[in-house]
Amino acid sequence: GENVEQHPSTLSVQEGDSAVIKCTYSDSASNYFPWYKQELGKGPQLIIDIRSNVGEKKDQRIAVTLNKTAKHFSLHITETQPEDSAVYFCAASKGENTGNQFYFGTGTSLTVIP
Amino acid sequence: GAVVSQHPSRVICKSGTSVKIECRSLDFQATTMFWYRQFPKQSLMLMATSNEGSKATYEQGVEKDKFLINHASLTLSTLTVTSAHPEDSSFYICSATPGDLAGIWETQYFGPGTRLLVL
Repeated sequence: GENVEQHPSTLSVQEGDSAVIKCTYSDSASNYFPWYKQELGKGPQLIIDIRSNVGEKKDQRIAVTLNKTAKHFSLHITETQPEDSAVYFCAASKGENTGNQFYFGTGTSLTVIP
Repeated sequence: GAVVSQHPSRVICKSGTSVKIECRSLDFQATTMFWYRQFPKQSLMLMATSNEGSKATYEQGVEKDKFLINHASLTLSTLTVTSAHPEDSSFYICSATPGDLAGIWETQYFGPGTRLLVL
């Protein structure tokens, strides 16, 4: 089965600096990679996703890169703000029409220091 | 768009009672819904996958008789924790996928979660 590893587990940055979270996956058949932000006591919210036919995707301060050969993908947050503080989860999926199970990373707790 | 709600948001019950949690997709039809359990400071653990009108598929180690899942319509799935015990206390989260004509690359949209405390 798929195994997704996520690093680092905790990350502290100064406000305005960039934050990078990295994930690796094991199953080369995975082709869909979403990123979720989870605030304390709430459900995960999709913030950006990327599909295997694309190498990079950007949405304002958030970007995701994918290296299919190395089987890793990364979340980049620029100009971090205190409200970016949360736990971030990466996931990998095969996108098959069989329930589309997501395999989640272990999460990264990001703290943005004002 | 793509809003998923859960009810209740928080529930406290006595040991031995049953608790039902509802998951609704508010602005789309969900072909598939998922139920997760999350312990403090841990990742999401998939409990089961449910498709409308069919039996849920449970992950290994999840007791289907204890965690009853019903996906009666394209907008509603319920999770019933039967004969709850303190060890069932957790954060339960559902997600839903809209599905499309191709049936691939379906994003999961998550509900806000339900905090269950069994005394």
